[in-house]
Amino acid sequence: EADIYQTPRYLVIGTGKKITLECSQTMGHDKMYWYQQDPGMELHLIHYSYGVNSTEKGDLSSESTVSRIRTEHFPLTLESARPSHTSQYLCASSAFSGTVNYGYTFGSGTRLTVV
Amino acid sequence: AQSVTQPDIHITVSEGASLELRCNYSYGATPYLFWYVQSPGQGLQLLLKYFSGDTLVQGIKGFEAEFKRSQSSFNLRKPSVHWSDAAEYFCAVVGYSGAGSYQLTFGKGTKLSVIP
Repeated sequence: EADIYQTPRYLVIGTGKKITLECSQTMGHDKMYWYQQDPGMELHLIHYSYGVNSTEKGDLSSESTVSRIRTEHFPLTLESARPSHTSQYLCASSAFSGTVNYGYTFGSGTRLTVV
Repeated sequence: AQSVTQPDIHITVSEGASLELRCNYSYGATPYLFWYVQSPGQGLQLLLKYFSGDTLVQGIKGFEAEFKRSQSSFNLRKPSVHWSDAAEYFCAVVGYSGAGSYQLTFGKGTKLSVIP
């Protein structure tokens, strides 16, 4: 049973459209992340959040933006989609207690194709 | 900053054969280590994790991994591979990245093919 949900699973959209990829988790985790993964490639961190109203950019530069208004919700938005944004986007959350990391849980991903 | 190396891009094994996927990490302190599996078009599923204690950790689906500090390794093993194990496997490390934050870093992945 998934505790972190991403919608939609698949999205094909035209160039220039605005899109929002949804990510929600029911575990009460403070920390949430967005990763981008091209087919057959490694994952790259593009955004993360350590709590409500906290967002940071990751290692890989991305034209997307994120928001964190509620603990359980971490949507990613592309204001104007381009073919170069075609990729899989994975959302994750994690729990920490002091310096102890209790692991990361990933959603099933959104496979985005921009035509 | 931490890093993860998975030396094997693609491994092919016969069904029923044993499997070992290699993972080496670079991190100055005791790392948190993970193995994830990703089936085509799917998200990542956690197989197992190491935080401390016993260096041999058991995971789901019959997988295990051994943490060897002297070799900076965390290799994944399975005694008998099933066709359903064909997938991409990612090793990952969590390390302290400064300013009170921790970061999960992935290796490039190893694609496992299983032949009947």
